[in-house]
Amino acid sequence: NAGVTQTPKFQVLKTGQSMTLQCAQDMNHNSMYWYRQDPGMGLRLIYYSASEGTTDKGEVPNGYNVSRLNKREFSLRLESAAPSQTSVYFCASSEYQKTQYFGPGTRLLVL
Amino acid sequence: AQKITQTQPGMFVQEKEAVTLDCTYDTSDPSYGLFWYKQPSSGEMIFLIYQGSYDQQNATEGRYSLNFQKARKSANLVISASQLGDSAMYFCAMREGPGGSYIPTFGRGTSLIVHP
Repeated sequence: NAGVTQTPKFQVLKTGQSMTLQCAQDMNHNSMYWYRQDPGMGLRLIYYSASEGTTDKGEVPNGYNVSRLNKREFSLRLESAAPSQTSVYFCASSEYQKTQYFGPGTRLLVL
Repeated sequence: AQKITQTQPGMFVQEKEAVTLDCTYDTSDPSYGLFWYKQPSSGEMIFLIYQGSYDQQNATEGRYSLNFQKARKSANLVISASQLGDSAMYFCAMREGPGGSYIPTFGRGTSLIVHP
């Protein structure tokens, strides 16, 4: 099993460009999450999807949108990238209330 | 106020010794879970250990154990017989019950360096 996969692994954007980060899981989990990790800040929740068809804002949702495409896939979109969105992005999945499993992360640099 | 506090930005330990990484939490919900994750320099997040608020015994997983003191709201990670491969960032996280919709909150992490 691949677990949680993310694409791309690395991306460089110019300010104002848009992009979509893709995430897929093969563990049949209901819940999926997007986090960003910045130095000294731990992981901060951007959006989550408790189950297929639902999405909710986390701690830092501004500048992002998400789509729960189906049970397996949860994408994160930056409509107009800003330098403040330079970060490492992690996708995770879990069964409700249980341990989260993380993807390998996407390193994003916005110039 | 932070829900998860990790007060040690960095820790150093000699190989083969034990080390304790501190984590305190803040919740008024009686139902919650506490997690520890390891993040090596390669960047992936690796689940280590879980403690539920109603669990009677402290969790253990191999060389990892969780020193759960409910009254003090602390959930410290103890790594016994440290190895060089234990050098990494360690994150404590909490899921709160219905009031928090079980959405995890992470601490800012502790960097552990194991010396030979």
